[in-house]
Amino acid sequence: GQQLNQSPQSMFIQEGEDVSMNCTSSSIFNTWLWYKQEPGEGPVLLIALYKAGELTSNGRLTAQFGITRKDSFLNISASIPSDVGIYFCRGQRAGNQFYFGTGTSLTVIP
Amino acid sequence: EAGVVQSPRYKIIEKKQPVAFWCNPISGHNTLYWYLQNLGQGPELLIRYENEEAVDDSQLPKDRFSAERLKGVDSTLKIQPAELGDSAVYLCASSSTSGGSATQYFGPGTRLTVL
Repeated sequence: GQQLNQSPQSMFIQEGEDVSMNCTSSSIFNTWLWYKQEPGEGPVLLIALYKAGELTSNGRLTAQFGITRKDSFLNISASIPSDVGIYFCRGQRAGNQFYFGTGTSLTVIP
Repeated sequence: EAGVVQSPRYKIIEKKQPVAFWCNPISGHNTLYWYLQNLGQGPELLIRYENEEAVDDSQLPKDRFSAERLKGVDSTLKIQPAELGDSAVYLCASSSTSGGSATQYFGPGTRLTVL
């Protein structure tokens, strides 16, 4: 099935650093969602975006819906060890079609 | 409130054997999803149910995979016969509606290893 491109594929950062990742597609989406998945668990929804240009925060997390509607960005400020996991984007369009990204693996070094 | 429950958590079988996974969604959630997640990849939708009706099974390999959701609550996903390439995590999720804004709640998944 189709998977959206996420970048970077993996990140190793020091605790306290900020993190940026993005998700890109060749086609337009109406909704962008960001999930976090920890080992042995299913993905958990972090942030949902519904309008081009929208900027939404959830604590230290901030996500943006790209103005072209073909991309989305997730930033994590002042990372902490519990931020470790794999972050997935999900794009959704009309007709209930949705696709997950390939994931960004985040490792935070204390 | 209990989350999405899946069992078993792990399953190891030999190729050509049958296998079944069970999912109990969050109470009151009408929409149920089965996903396949390969190592290092995002989840890929296999089938979506609205109550007991499979409304999107376009990605389900019907030659060997089958699913059912009797009475619109619990669901079972079956593979018969299993192949080596079926080794993956099978995730179940549920949501209260099927709309674009509906939050999907995922279970912990069943990790299948086919030898």
